[in-house]
Amino acid sequence: EIVMTQSPATLSVSPGERATLSCRASQSVRSNLAWYQQKPGQAPRLLIYISSTRATGIPTRFSGSGSDTEFTLTISGLQSEDSAVYYCQQYNNWPPGFGPGTKVEIK
Amino acid sequence: QVQLMQSGAEVKKPGASVKVSCRASGYIFTDYPISWVRQAPGQRPEWMGWINVGDGQTKYSQTFQGRVTITRDTSANVVHMQLSSLTSEDTALYFCARAPYSGSYLPYHYWGQGTLVTVSS
Repeated sequence: EIVMTQSPATLSVSPGERATLSCRASQSVRSNLAWYQQKPGQAPRLLIYISSTRATGIPTRFSGSGSDTEFTLTISGLQSEDSAVYYCQQYNNWPPGFGPGTKVEIK
Repeated sequence: QVQLMQSGAEVKKPGASVKVSCRASGYIFTDYPISWVRQAPGQRPEWMGWINVGDGQTKYSQTFQGRVTITRDTSANVVHMQLSSLTSEDTALYFCARAPYSGSYLPYHYWGQGTLVTVSS
């Protein structure tokens, strides 16, 4: 089973600044990596899939990159509504698994 | 538009079973697999299993093997998830979810609103 890790656990960023979130897989997942945003009491929201493809309706300030074992989610020009927990998910191998999440706080 | 509507919150005693439903609308029901994902308080989401709605084939996480059963009713556009032998560790939000593309299992573009299952004596 592939183990997903994320760093940092918490990220505090000022509005308008850039947030960089990292996700690592214990073995290659090629580009089969998704990012989700989750706010309290809500279902996760798909942001990025196939490592760098934005899902429908996702603002261009969200971008993804990486392959194999190292991935990055970048939020450019952070806005107050971006305060949330962000999860990565690999879906290259069974079972599909999520990382522990990065909580993004707005300073 | 695609919608996944789940049944309401449940409170169960340890040892009991729970059945959560997910009613789909806005698309051809049999063209898209449905997965179940649960999330315990403060924890990451956890994949439980999925069903190929077209032919009824299922695949389950080894974590839940033997305790979870996913079925579908194509006449009502509903997928059910039943979890048995409940313990307090099964207290969580349970979600149904669907991928964006026909025939694809992942990733999850559409989600139900979640069903809170509380296990308490």
